Amino acid sequence: DAGVIQSPRHEVTEMGQEVTLRCKPISGHNSLFWYRQTMMRGLELLIYFNNNVPIDDSGMPEDRFSAKMPNASFSTLKIQPSEPRDSAVYFCASSKGQREAFFGQGTRLTVV
Amino acid sequence: AQTVTQSQPEMSVQEAETVTLSCTYDTSESDYYLFWYKQPPSRQMILVIRQEAYKQQNATENRFSVNFQKAAKSFSLKISDSQLGDAAMYFCAYRRTGDMRFGAGTRLTVKP
Repeated sequence: DAGVIQSPRHEVTEMGQEVTLRCKPISGHNSLFWYRQTMMRGLELLIYFNNNVPIDDSGMPEDRFSAKMPNASFSTLKIQPSEPRDSAVYFCASSKGQREAFFGQGTRLTVV
Repeated sequence: AQTVTQSQPEMSVQEAETVTLSCTYDTSESDYYLFWYKQPPSRQMILVIRQEAYKQQNATENRFSVNFQKAAKSFSLKISDSQLGDAAMYFCAYRRTGDMRFGAGTRLTVKP
């Protein structure tokens, strides 16, 4: 298996632009997580899906953030409009059942 | 919400020596999973070791072992015979039925 695949690896955008991050989980995994990592706040859970259904989105910072999982093999995290404080590394992770999560390589987002 | 606390922002160890990283967590549940992840400068999140709360035996993976004290809600990681490649951020994580929560991390330096 290729593992969790995230794209793009790096994204630089201007403030106010829409940003879409993509994730392909490991085949057969039924849980998917989006995390944000910054020096100040560490690893924050943004949203958690189980069987493609959003279960906990309490970590989504505000309405500018949205996430979808239209099927078991694809998820997106969208920021619209983006702001400089959104600059961070965004991780997608997947798991099977209640076991460990496997992480993608992350997307480094820079908003200027 | 469950919280995970890593009280050591930084630790240092001499190559070939042993180091212990601390983690405590807060939960009212009796059945859950605990994990240690390693994040080297490449930023990839790598699973080091897992522990199921219902198992009394401490998990071991080669040079990595844990000291799981359920009543004290403590989950420390011991790295024996430290190697230069062990230098990284180490994150403790808790998972119950759904999402996975992480501590703030401990930065481990290995001195040659």
